[in-house]
Amino acid sequence: EAGVTQSPTHLIKTRGQQATLRCSPISGHTSVYWYQQALGLGLQFLLWYDEGEERNRGNFPPRFSGRQFPNYSSELNVNALELEDSALYLCASSSTAGEQYFGPGTRLTVT
Amino acid sequence: AQKITQTQPGMFVQEKEAVTLDCTYDTSDQSYGLFWYKQPSSGEMIFLIYQGSYDEQNATEGRYSLNFQKARKSANLVISASQLGDSAMYFCAMREGSSYTGGGNKLTFGTGTQLKVEL
Repeated sequence: EAGVTQSPTHLIKTRGQQATLRCSPISGHTSVYWYQQALGLGLQFLLWYDEGEERNRGNFPPRFSGRQFPNYSSELNVNALELEDSALYLCASSSTAGEQYFGPGTRLTVT
Repeated sequence: AQKITQTQPGMFVQEKEAVTLDCTYDTSDQSYGLFWYKQPSSGEMIFLIYQGSYDEQNATEGRYSLNFQKARKSANLVISASQLGDSAMYFCAMREGSSYTGGGNKLTFGTGTQLKVEL
């Protein structure tokens, strides 16, 4: 069974640009979660999508947004990039109340 | 207050020895779940083990076991017979409430413990 996949693996952007990160969940999982792992800050919860709806949001500004598509894949958009947005962005998926399984992450570098 | 506390930033263990990684948590919820994840240098978070707050038995998965002490709010991970491939960062995480209470399902992570297994 294929695991959670994320693309791209690495992304380099300049300050002020927009970044789009993608995630495909494990087959049968309807929930997708996004986490940010910035150096020195640990893993922080960003967003949770379930059945196409945003269910919960972490303490991040509105320029962090996303969506979930009918096939349960998800996209995270970060607008007006700032240097401190440089981080590893991890996507996880789960069945409604099950364990979260993570993808390999997208490493975003903002210069 | 920290919801998940991992007090050991780094640990060393000899190959084939057992090691305990500490985790304490803070919640007022009656229903919660505790997780351990392993993160190798590649970055991927690998799910290791889960303990529900109502589970009476300590969870075990192969060489991993979770020493759950509810009254002390601790959920330590025990790795038996350490292997070189166990060298990684280990994170304890908690899910509070349930997926149906609105705030449920997000994980709160500790700061991690870097484990190094030596020959």
